[in-house]
Amino acid sequence: NAGVTQTPKFQVLKTGQSMTLQCAQDMNHNSMYWYRQDPGMGLRLIYYSASEGTTDKGEVPNGYNVSRLNKREFSLRLESAAPSQTSVYFCASSEWGSHSGNTIYFGEGSWLTVV
Amino acid sequence: ILNVEQSPQSLHVQEGDSTNFTCSFPSSNFYALHWYRWETAKSPEALFVMTLNGDEKKKGRISATLNTKEGYSYLYIKGSQPEDSATYLCVDNNDMRFGAGTRLTVKP
Repeated sequence: NAGVTQTPKFQVLKTGQSMTLQCAQDMNHNSMYWYRQDPGMGLRLIYYSASEGTTDKGEVPNGYNVSRLNKREFSLRLESAAPSQTSVYFCASSEWGSHSGNTIYFGEGSWLTVV
Repeated sequence: ILNVEQSPQSLHVQEGDSTNFTCSFPSSNFYALHWYRWETAKSPEALFVMTLNGDEKKKGRISATLNTKEGYSYLYIKGSQPEDSATYLCVDNNDMRFGAGTRLTVKP
C-alpha cells in the first residue's frame, strides 16, 4: 500500500516551459488535492477534486490546470512556467473532502524550480 | 476571522519545556479541524481531528483542545523533546485550507 505517490520528486524548468506533475493514490479515496508550500505561507490549496469527474479552484489556481484522469489519478499542469511557481508541491487525498472530517494523506512532495 | 490563522509563527523552547500554540478559524459553518505535524523534507502527518466543541484529544505528550464557539484550538506539548521540532499545521475541514503553521524548535 503505497498511499499517495507523486512524480517527479525534483524538476528544474526554464521560464515558459510546460510540465505536468503526476499523482496517484491507492486508497480508493474520492477526494484529491494539490497544494503548494512556500516559506512562511504554509500549504495553499491550488485545485481540488471532490470526486471523480469534478475539479474546483482553490486559493491559488492561476497558472495551473488539473485533470482528474480517474479515481486514482490527479495531475497538475503548468502550461507556461514562471519563477513565481518555484515551490514545493504536495498532492493529497482523503476518503471524502470538506465536511467529512476525513484525514488528508499527503505525497512526499515535488520540488520545482523555475529559472 | 475569515481564514485559518496560527500563532505564533515560530517558537524556540528548551528541552523539557512545555509549550502551546493556537489555531484560529471562522466559527461559522464549522465542521472539523485537523492538526498535522510536518517535518522538513517529509509529508505532513495527521495528529488529531477535532469535531465537537470542548473536544480534547491526546497522543503521548501532545494534546489538543477545541472551542468552536469562539473559533480556536490549542495544541499543547508537554516536556518538549528535540524530536518534537517540526511545523504544526491546522486545517479547517470546511474548505480544506491550512494555516501557515507554527514552526517549533526544541533545543537540547
